[in-house]
Amino acid sequence: GQNIDQPTEMTATEGAIVQINCTYQTSGFNGLFWYQQHAGEAPTFLSYNVLDGLEEKGRFSSFLSRSKGYSYLLLKELQMKDSASYLCAATDSNYQLIWGAGTKLIIKP
Amino acid sequence: GAVVSQHPSWVICKSGTSVKIECRSLDFQATTMFWYRQFPKQSLMLMATSNEGSKATYEQGVEKDKFLINHASLTLSTLTVTSAHPEDSSFYICSARDIRGGGQETQYFGPGTRLLVL
Repeated sequence: GQNIDQPTEMTATEGAIVQINCTYQTSGFNGLFWYQQHAGEAPTFLSYNVLDGLEEKGRFSSFLSRSKGYSYLLLKELQMKDSASYLCAATDSNYQLIWGAGTKLIIKP
Repeated sequence: GAVVSQHPSWVICKSGTSVKIECRSLDFQATTMFWYRQFPKQSLMLMATSNEGSKATYEQGVEKDKFLINHASLTLSTLTVTSAHPEDSSFYICSARDIRGGGQETQYFGPGTRLLVL
């Protein structure tokens, strides 16, 4: 079957660094997405990885290991506005998005 | 960047009425759009995949006669919730697939439509 696993909730301190992990099992693989979703709003695109390695984009970086079926989203210099749910989604052989349940990130002052 | 709009953002209606939600890609053409439903504190649930000029593909358990989808142009898809009931109250979100840039199949989301059926 197809499955995406990510932690349900994480807590971090303002200014710190947090890593949100995601493991996936899909029928075929065509890349992995990370989306940010604030409460009551639609998801917004953060990153897309299809090759192994780290993609850096400002304070946010995303890593992929295809052989391990593993990705993480790294958030640096955390700000209060980063409090949100972070959704991991893998695309299968039909480019269908398989969604994780999301990780709720709580930032404390 | 790719912008997707959704209208209306809020709908309150009586049980038994039909509600139409529009999803538009504003600065790109989208041959494929997706309709999701999200209940509170839950992840996105794909309802159907909408392809321009052809019938939508519905996920298992989603009634195609209740949730009518029309994708009449490369920038517009509509979802009509027919004979809405209170259990249809949810957050409906559309997304459009932007295939510019060499095959990156990124989905960009509309702002969502919150439906409350009384």
